[in-house]
Amino acid sequence: DIQVTQSPSSLSASIGDRVTITCRASQSINTYLNWYQQKPGKAPKLLIYTVSRLQSGVPSRFSGSGSGTDFTLTISSLQPEDFATYYCQQTYSIPWTFGPGTKVGIK
Amino acid sequence: EVQLLESGGGLVQPGRSLRLSCAASGFTFGDYAMHWVRQAPGKGLEWVSGISWNSGGIGYADSVKGRFTISRDNTKNSLFLQMNGLRAEDMAFYYCAKSGRPEYSNAWYLDYWGQGTLVTVSS
Repeated sequence: DIQVTQSPSSLSASIGDRVTITCRASQSINTYLNWYQQKPGKAPKLLIYTVSRLQSGVPSRFSGSGSGTDFTLTISSLQPEDFATYYCQQTYSIPWTFGPGTKVGIK
Repeated sequence: EVQLLESGGGLVQPGRSLRLSCAASGFTFGDYAMHWVRQAPGKGLEWVSGISWNSGGIGYADSVKGRFTISRDNTKNSLFLQMNGLRAEDMAFYYCAKSGRPEYSNAWYLDYWGQGTLVTVSS
């Protein structure tokens, strides 16, 4: 199975900050990497698919990059509604696996 | 508007069975693969199982293989998860999710999720 790790596990940031979350796969997953946002008590929401493609309706302050095994989610200017937990996911091979999540909190 | 509504969760004793359902609307259900993802309270996401549009392809997480069975009824726009031999570690919110992929790639993603149904395993 492909293992997926994320760093950091949590972070505190202020409104307007640039935030970067890293995701690493245990083997190359090509571009089969997605990012989700989850707020407390809610279902996850797809933010970015195939590394860098923004899902419809997602603000342009979110962006993704990377290839092979190392990937990044960036929020260019953190907004109040962005405080949430973010998960990366590989769909290169079954079983699909998620990273453990990064909780973005208020500083 | 795409809607996914899970049902069937509840309190069950260890070793017993439960069947989850997901009613889909707002899209052509029979055209898409569907998945179950679970989340133990306060924990991260775990992919459980997926099924192709025509039930010809099915996959399971190792943690549920041999105990859980995914199925679908395209005539009723419904997805199911039969869970047998439930264990304490199966306790979680279970989400039904629709898959999608870009036209140019087989890089799948989960673009719509239900609100989840809670399965509690306890004696």
